[in-house]
Amino acid sequence: DTAVSQTPKYLVTQMGNDKSIKCEQNLGHDTMYWYKQDSKKFLKIMFSYNNKELIINETVPNRFSPKSPDKAHLNLHINSLELGDSAVYFCASSQGSSSPLHFGNGTRLTVT
Amino acid sequence: GESVGLHLPTLSVQEGDNSIINCAYSNSASDYFIWYKQESGKGPQFIIDIRSNMDKRQGQRVTVLLNKTVKHLSLQIAATQPGDSAVYFCAEGGDTGGFKTIFGAGTRLFVKA
Repeated sequence: DTAVSQTPKYLVTQMGNDKSIKCEQNLGHDTMYWYKQDSKKFLKIMFSYNNKELIINETVPNRFSPKSPDKAHLNLHINSLELGDSAVYFCASSQGSSSPLHFGNGTRLTVT
Repeated sequence: GESVGLHLPTLSVQEGDNSIINCAYSNSASDYFIWYKQESGKGPQFIIDIRSNMDKRQGQRVTVLLNKTVKHLSLQIAATQPGDSAVYFCAEGGDTGGFKTIFGAGTRLFVKA
C-alpha cells in the first residue's frame, strides 16, 4: 500500500556506469518530482513533471534524464556516473501545484 | 533554529516540553509554506502547511506561525515526545506556478527522555 515507491533502495556502482532509478505513485497525483539530498541533508529539486510534461529542470547536468511514461511513473536515468552524484535521491508526488509533497523512502546512490 | 549553513542546526528538548523550530525564508512572493519531518532512512513526511493569507494554523499538537513582515516561519510542537525526534524542514512553495518547492536546511530535533 506504499503511496510513493522507488527502487532500488540502495545502488552502489562505479564511476562511468549508467544506472536507473524507478518511481511509481498510486495516489492518482498529476505531478511528480525528483529531489537530491546531500550528506548535509540539504534537499534540492531536480525535476518536476506535471501530466507527463517537464515543468522544472533545475540546471541538472544532461547526464540525468527523467522519463515519465505515464502520470503514475517518473524514472531517472543517469549516464556516466561521477563521484559527486553520490547522494540520496527522492521521488515525490503532489496533487497539482502548491500542495504537499508525498515522498518515497529514497534511493541511496554510492558511486565509487 | 533554521539556517542555511554548513552543519545541521540542532535543538534538544526534554520530553513533555514544547519545541519551537524557526525558519527564515527569502522569497517575499512565496504564498505557500510547509513543514516536513524526516526520520532516519525515510523520506520527508508532511506535517502541516499554511498559505500566505493566514498567520497561524493548528494541527494535532503542532502549530505553524507565519510572519510575512519579517519572512519568518515557526513550527511549535506541544508536549514533545521521543517519537518527534527527527529532522524538520520548512519549505516554501508557490514559485514557478507552484511546481517548485524549495526546502530550508533542516533542524535536527533531539528529545531527551
